[in-house]
Amino acid sequence: GESVGLHLPTLSVQEGDNSIINCAYSNSASDYFIWYKQESGKGPQFIIDIRSNMDKRQGQRVTVLLNKTVKHLSLQIAATQPGDSAVYFCAESYDYKLSFGAGTTVTVRA
Amino acid sequence: GAGVSQSPRYKVAKRGQDVALRCDPISGHVSLFWYQQALGQGPEFLTYFQNEAQLDKSGLPSDRFFAERPEGSVSTLKIQRTQQEDSAVYLCASSPLGQASYGYTFGSGTRLTVV
Repeated sequence: GESVGLHLPTLSVQEGDNSIINCAYSNSASDYFIWYKQESGKGPQFIIDIRSNMDKRQGQRVTVLLNKTVKHLSLQIAATQPGDSAVYFCAESYDYKLSFGAGTTVTVRA
Repeated sequence: GAGVSQSPRYKVAKRGQDVALRCDPISGHVSLFWYQQALGQGPEFLTYFQNEAQLDKSGLPSDRFFAERPEGSVSTLKIQRTQQEDSAVYLCASSPLGQASYGYTFGSGTRLTVV
């Protein structure tokens, strides 16, 4: 069968390397997906989004991949920087409500 | 203001005490949401307002939780007779319209600790 990235609660990455964060979502009816970054003491901050009619979207240093067949979402961060250290959440949406996945804590090593 | 403002930032309440948490959304944003974030978890939906109308309160954990937005701008989340399990960060978000794809902006939250 197809290999699906495992969700890890923590990720340690060397500065300058690429990071990949995985997420599984639950609702087949969800039509919009978002990745958020949350720093300590702050609310979730939008990183990138993707609609269900797409399978890939690129932003500045970030790429989101969507696999609807296995209900899997991933976030790729290129050339990870110390400022990327945070908790990352994926969220799925149908209409107005957001449902968040389990977060991944990313720590960037200098 | 430029962002969503929440107050107080921190609240310590004795068990059984009532608390009120305030949210000032971005001016002109029609939709307002409250989420609860337990330590180490993702935010969980509590309730949704469109202007002054509370359209969805399905996420409120019990009848001790009450939210209002009487004039369609500022919102207050009230928790009566607080319990230890109410300890969490309460996040408010606003959006120009109801669809999530129009973009949510989150506030920094109120951290409630019930002792």
